[in-house]
Amino acid sequence: KAGVTQTPRYLIKTRGQQVTLSCSPISGHRSVSWYQQTPGQGLQFLFEYFSETQRNKGNFPGRFSGRQFSNSRSEMNVSTLELGDSALYLCASSSGATNTGELFFGEGSRLTVL
Amino acid sequence: AQSVAQPEDQVNVAEGNPLTVKCTYSVSGNPYLFWYVQYPNRGLQFLLKYITGDNLVKGSYGFEAEFNKSQTSFHLKKPSALVSDSALYFCAVRDYNQGGKLIFGQGTELSVKP
Repeated sequence: KAGVTQTPRYLIKTRGQQVTLSCSPISGHRSVSWYQQTPGQGLQFLFEYFSETQRNKGNFPGRFSGRQFSNSRSEMNVSTLELGDSALYLCASSSGATNTGELFFGEGSRLTVL
Repeated sequence: AQSVAQPEDQVNVAEGNPLTVKCTYSVSGNPYLFWYVQYPNRGLQFLLKYITGDNLVKGSYGFEAEFNKSQTSFHLKKPSALVSDSALYFCAVRDYNQGGKLIFGQGTELSVKP
């Protein structure tokens, strides 16, 4: 069974630009969560989507947005990039039905903002 | 709010010795606890979870964790450490007051020396 796939793995942007990251969950998984990982703040929850609906949201500004498609694939977008957005962005999937199980993570997209 | 704490930023162990990575939790209600491992430039890999039942939980790669309700702890253990166990370890808890998102500790860097 293929794992969670994130693209691109690495990208470099400049301040003010926007970026879109993609995540394909494990087949059959309907929940996709996004996390930001930085050395200073650790792992911070961004949002979770389940069956194309945002089910939960973290404390990030509106520049961070996401969506989920009917095939459960998800994208997150960051607009007007700031230096502080440089981070590893991790996507995780789960079956999502009961929201009690473990999450399965992708390898991440490492974003560098110059 | 639900939270987990990992009191040690770094743990150093000699190969072949037992290892313990500590985690304490603060939750209202029954805790759903998890351990993950992260190798450099990789995503998080699920090791084990405690939902209910036996206090000693066995997981991947020979790891186990002991749930202690009176001490609100969920320490990760392995009887005999390997150099390849060197990685970043995260404890996490499901926060059902905030939609079930996974809340992570700050992480503990485990270093196993030959």
